[in-house]
Amino acid sequence: EPEVTQTPSHQVTQMGQEVILRCVPISNHLYFYWYRQILGQKVEFLVSFYNNEISEKSEIFDDQFSVERPDGSNFTLKIRSTKLEDSAMYFCATGHPNTEAFFGQGTRLTVV
Amino acid sequence: EDQVTQSPEALRLQEGESSSLNCSYTVSGLRGLFWYRQDPGKGPEFLFTLYSAGEEKEKERLKATLTKKESFLHITAPKPEDSATYLCAVNNRKLIWGLGTSLAVNP
Repeated sequence: EPEVTQTPSHQVTQMGQEVILRCVPISNHLYFYWYRQILGQKVEFLVSFYNNEISEKSEIFDDQFSVERPDGSNFTLKIRSTKLEDSAMYFCATGHPNTEAFFGQGTRLTVV
Repeated sequence: EDQVTQSPEALRLQEGESSSLNCSYTVSGLRGLFWYRQDPGKGPEFLFTLYSAGEEKEKERLKATLTKKESFLHITAPKPEDSATYLCAVNNRKLIWGLGTSLAVNP
């Protein structure tokens, strides 16, 4: 069964460092999403991406965040200068905006 | 403001004891209500999408229903393997999530 694959599964980084979270979407899906979930809190939408550009983003997705699809298969989320409050599970999802989204297993980001 | 509220926050059932989880929502321009299951440390796993009031969907011991203001996830004769957090989300160009109901089913 097709699945969304995320790497790494766990990343520990120093505050102020840049991190790149990677996702391999399901091959025939056109919409890509990043969500995050801080421990004990709701899943929060960050950004959606379609046709090689951002289609929607939340207020969380500020200038410190960026997304790209560098090689037509991988989908990445970059955080330029990490803060303690960026510590969370980050989920990549793919699908269509009006139907279900399929989620990866997540990357646990710990900023120290 | 678009909002999703789930209740109860936690529910403990005996194996075979049926119950319902609630998801109430306020959203402008609903494009679908989604139920997901989330196991600890894992990503949400899709269960159902409901699009219009009166719609119902079933999968094994789970049945989801939708009204104009809320959705219910009915669990019939649950088993321990149904233990998980059940998340509700509404689609308004992006998914807006509830906090979830943590379900524990004791053998």
